[in-house]
Amino acid sequence: QVLLVESGGGVVQPGRSLRLSCAASGFTFRTHGIDWVRQAPGKGLEWVAAVSYDGMNKYYADSVKGRFTISRDNSKNRLYLQMNSLRVEDSAVYYCAREGLATKLHTFDIWGQGTKVTVSS
Amino acid sequence: DIQMTQSPSALSASVGDRVTITCRASQTINNYLAWYQNKPEKAPKLLIYEASNLESGVPSRFSGSGSGTEFTLTISSLQSDDFATYYCQGYNNYWTFGQGTKVEIK
Repeated sequence: QVLLVESGGGVVQPGRSLRLSCAASGFTFRTHGIDWVRQAPGKGLEWVAAVSYDGMNKYYADSVKGRFTISRDNSKNRLYLQMNSLRVEDSAVYYCAREGLATKLHTFDIWGQGTKVTVSS
Repeated sequence: DIQMTQSPSALSASVGDRVTITCRASQTINNYLAWYQNKPEKAPKLLIYEASNLESGVPSRFSGSGSGTEFTLTISSLQSDDFATYYCQGYNNYWTFGQGTKVEIK
């Protein structure tokens, strides 16, 4: 069974840091790009960051550039999101999502269940 | 960055209705266009990829069409399980979602 399971969410004060993790199973992790997508309460989906299959290329939304860092460990089948200088507007459910291959390139074909991050004083 | 604009932002429909949602990209996205269904407290689910390809396991009442900058998601006969929010997602160097279309019960 193909699975993505996020962890690491919680309540944190503005300006502090948090590290999210995503554990993958049931597929060859090292062959897929993996992304973080978030959804603020009552809002739509927002792409946050992406990392290529080999970890060499990383991409960020302007809203998080310079504050968030995406990384992966293919030996552990894990994806990470280091979030620094958190703001109230970063509060959201954070999903990890697998990019498809071939005709599903740049499409998110598998999603985790999400981990909730609340930034509040 | 590309902008993805969905219309309408919400609609009311009855079971059995034909529903159409439109998504416009601010520049051509070479058919890198996907549609997702999102229900409260659940992860988004891929419905359509590459503008018109139906994801495995998705009912055939869902279909996608379009090319270039204008795309459409159609539900041919709305079922009770289809009341949800639908998002388009395009790619042109970065990934961008539309603002969503909420399909509500009439």
